[in-house]
Amino acid sequence: DGGITQSPKYLFRKEGQNVTLSCEQNLNHDAMYWYRQDPGQGLRLIYYSQIVNDFQKGDIAEGYSVSREKKESFPLTVTSAQKNPTAFYLCASRQGHTGNTIYFGEGSWLTVV
Amino acid sequence: AQRVTQPEKLLSVFKGAPVELKCNYSYSGSPELFWYVQYSRQRLQLLLRHISRESIKGFTADLNKGETSFHLKKPFAQEEDSAMYYCALSVPSGTYKYIFGTGTRLKVLA
Repeated sequence: DGGITQSPKYLFRKEGQNVTLSCEQNLNHDAMYWYRQDPGQGLRLIYYSQIVNDFQKGDIAEGYSVSREKKESFPLTVTSAQKNPTAFYLCASRQGHTGNTIYFGEGSWLTVV
Repeated sequence: AQRVTQPEKLLSVFKGAPVELKCNYSYSGSPELFWYVQYSRQRLQLLLRHISRESIKGFTADLNKGETSFHLKKPFAQEEDSAMYYCALSVPSGTYKYIFGTGTRLKVLA
């Protein structure tokens, strides 16, 4: 089944610990994205990447880090600097042409206790 | 800065009534605009995009550059239309930035 795979689906971590969320796609898409979805706030862009070894900060990048060492992979690390990390995280990708659709993974629920 | 605004968090209509979900954007260039839908327990998925000028599941949306709007409309709502709807803007000038509004929950009442 082709598409975007996020893991894990549910993750619990203690406050102060870093945690990495995995995102893999087999669609051969150039661009990949991380969003955070909170009730009443919609999807907010954390980081995005147009190409391997390159990425840009989105609107709420503080407390997060990413890497793009392979075209198919775009892991997100939620660091201890993130003040309110408990949220639903969505990874997405799209082919790097204008007008193209963005495709989403199923999401990862992160709860920090 | 680019921004997408969806002023209504919740919209409730009766089955068979017309629906209009509002979306306004701010972007200085020529935008690419999309509507995405999230049904209960499903992934976000594309509903329609302005460059296609298509009608999907009876929904249409027209880009109004003068009013910087891209409202989603359907003449007769169905119960299965109940979902979360997101308006999105893509920056076409090579950065691939893609931003979403806060979403509107549509409830179609029997």
